[in-house]
Amino acid sequence: EAQVTQNPRYLITVTGKKLTVTCSQNMNHEYMSWYRQDPGLGLRQIYYSMNVEVTDKGDVPEGYKVSRKEKRNFPLILESPSPNQTSLYFCASGDGPPPLHFGNGTRLTVT
Amino acid sequence: DQQVKQNSPSLSVQEGRISILNCDYTNSMFDYFLWYKKYPAEGPTFLISISSIKDKNEDGRFTVFLNKSAKHLSLHIVPSQPGDSAVYFCAASDNSNYQLIWGAGTKLIIKP
Repeated sequence: EAQVTQNPRYLITVTGKKLTVTCSQNMNHEYMSWYRQDPGLGLRQIYYSMNVEVTDKGDVPEGYKVSRKEKRNFPLILESPSPNQTSLYFCASGDGPPPLHFGNGTRLTVT
Repeated sequence: DQQVKQNSPSLSVQEGRISILNCDYTNSMFDYFLWYKKYPAEGPTFLISISSIKDKNEDGRFTVFLNKSAKHLSLHIVPSQPGDSAVYFCAASDNSNYQLIWGAGTKLIIKP
């Protein structure tokens, strides 16, 4: 089954404790991206990747890192999480932008 | 400043009737528009798209209309079914960058 898999689905952490949210797709897509969704706002792009070893900033990249060492994986790294990064995060993929396939989301709470 | 606006946070429609979801944008450089549907606890699902060279695109019960002069697009669902109850997001992009700008979403409720 074609899918984008994110883990974990829920995460509660404390300020400053490094964390990684994993994202994997099994469709051999070149394009992958990360979004965050906050109440009253649409999804906002954090980072995207057009291919392996190619990543670029989206609208709201501050406080986040990504890597694309393999085509299928695109982890999101928060080196020092802060409460304003409490949000619902989505990973997405596609043959190119815009993405057509999304993961089921990771709800992150930073206290 | 929101470049893509969905001014109705929610919409309630009788089953079998037409649902019309609206979206306005401000950036005249946008040339590609998409609608996504989202159920609770799931990621968005691509529904239908339209290029700025068209003014209408149809896919089964779903039709998207684009009015470039008014910077307005709408999604029509007919007939509406209970499974259509979800949040619908409008999104737009231009070919000068790879970013997708999203509206805040409209929650559609289909009443039996």
